[in-house]
Amino acid sequence: EVQLLESGGGLVQPGGSLRLSCAASGFTFRSYAMSWVRQAPGKGLEWVSVISSSSDTTYYADSVKGRFTISRDNSKNTLYLQMNSLRAEDTAVYYCATVAVADDYFDSWGQGALVTVSS
Amino acid sequence: SYELTQPPSVSVSPGQTARITCSGYPLPKKYAYWYQQKSGQAPVLVIYDDNKRPSGIPERFSGSSSGTMATLTISGAQVEDESDYYCYSTDSSGNHWVFGGGTKLTVL
Repeated sequence: EVQLLESGGGLVQPGGSLRLSCAASGFTFRSYAMSWVRQAPGKGLEWVSVISSSSDTTYYADSVKGRFTISRDNSKNTLYLQMNSLRAEDTAVYYCATVAVADDYFDSWGQGALVTVSS
Repeated sequence: SYELTQPPSVSVSPGQTARITCSGYPLPKKYAYWYQQKSGQAPVLVIYDDNKRPSGIPERFSGSSSGTMATLTISGAQVEDESDYYCYSTDSSGNHWVFGGGTKLTVL
């Protein structure tokens, strides 16, 4: 059974930094592209970033480009999201998700980690 | 930038057919996907590749796509189908992955 467990969320001041982690189990992590999707309170889903299985390709939403960095450690079965220069509008639940093989959609999801940006 | 447009809400009575639309220009070249999200839970895929249903998803869920519009149809909607539904696709370059704004389905 695929399991994705996000951690690292919390309260941070505007302009601050935070790193989210997503521990994966139950599947061959190194074979899958991975992605982060967020959802602001009471709002819709927003794709944030994706990384290929070997880390050679990354894409970002325009709203986070230059501030967020996605990475992964296949030896630790872990996905990361380094978030810098955080803004109030980055407040959201952040989900990690597997990307279906040979396709571009989200297959399995974690339960999410809440990031609150506030002074 | 690339956008997918959904109606904010759709309401049907139990047993009726609910249709949720999603419009966006890359849809003729790119597949549409549909996610169901119940309050406080992670999204669940209900339709992929325009019209395919993952295992475990009831047969009353179906999808179609024509031109720049994709449609999620729930035939004989049930009270437990009350959820937010999001369409999703990628732009033509494959570099930007986009969700529609979401549609709140009410069944009562």
